[in-house]
Amino acid sequence: GIQVEQSPPDLILQEGANSTLRCNFSDSVNNLQWFHQNPWGQLINLFYIPSGTKQNGRLSATTVATERYSLLYISSSQTTDSGVYFCAVVPGTSGSRLTFGEGTQLTVNP
Amino acid sequence: ETGVTQTPRHLVMGMTNKKSLKCEQHLGHNAMYWYKQSAKKPLELMFVYSLEERVENNSVPSRFSPECPNSSHLFLHLHTLQPEDSALYLCASSQRVATNEKLFFGSGTQLSVL
Repeated sequence: GIQVEQSPPDLILQEGANSTLRCNFSDSVNNLQWFHQNPWGQLINLFYIPSGTKQNGRLSATTVATERYSLLYISSSQTTDSGVYFCAVVPGTSGSRLTFGEGTQLTVNP
Repeated sequence: ETGVTQTPRHLVMGMTNKKSLKCEQHLGHNAMYWYKQSAKKPLELMFVYSLEERVENNSVPSRFSPECPNSSHLFLHLHTLQPEDSALYLCASSQRVATNEKLFFGSGTQLSVL
C-alpha cells in the first residue's frame, strides 16, 4: 500500500516562531488532508488539498502532487497550535480509504 | 465543535465486560467510520458504513461489532476485549463514501482494558 512519511516527528517552538511540516507519499493521490489533533484527542480537519495551495489564517498548505509531497506552514505560532499534525492520503490508483502518516508532534512554548 | 459527538469520553472495562461506544453526527452526512488510534501508531480504519450499510471491514476481530441504525448514529459494541485493544477510538463522518471526501472526526473514546 501507499507509504506516508511525515517530518519532523517532533518539533518544539517558541511562541511567535514559524514552522514547516512535511508529508511525503509514495504514490499518486486524489485526496490529501491535513488534520490537527489537540491534546484532548480531538481531530480537526485543517485542509483538503490534493493539489495546489490554500490558506486559512496563520496556516497554509501546498501540495505538489507531481513530486509527491505536501507542506503545512504555521506562522506566528501560538500555544494553542500544540498537538499532533497528521497528513492523510488516498491513492489515486485504488478506491481505498484515507491512509494516515505517523504525525508530527508540535509543542509551542510560551 | 466538528458536528460529530462521541460518548463516553473515557471507558475502563474488564476483559469479560460488554460495553458500547456511541457516535452521532449532526452534519447530514451519509457515511460514517470507526478508526482506532493506538499509542505511537498511525490511525487505523476499522469499519465504513454508507447509508446504514457496512461497506468495509478491515480484518477487525469479531469482539468488535459495529451497528449503524441510521445515517446519523453509529455504535461499536465491545465484548471480551484484550488489553492490547486499549486505544483511542475515533468516529468520523463524510458526505458520502468516496475517495475524495473530507472527513470530520469526533473527540474519541479513550478505552482502557484491564
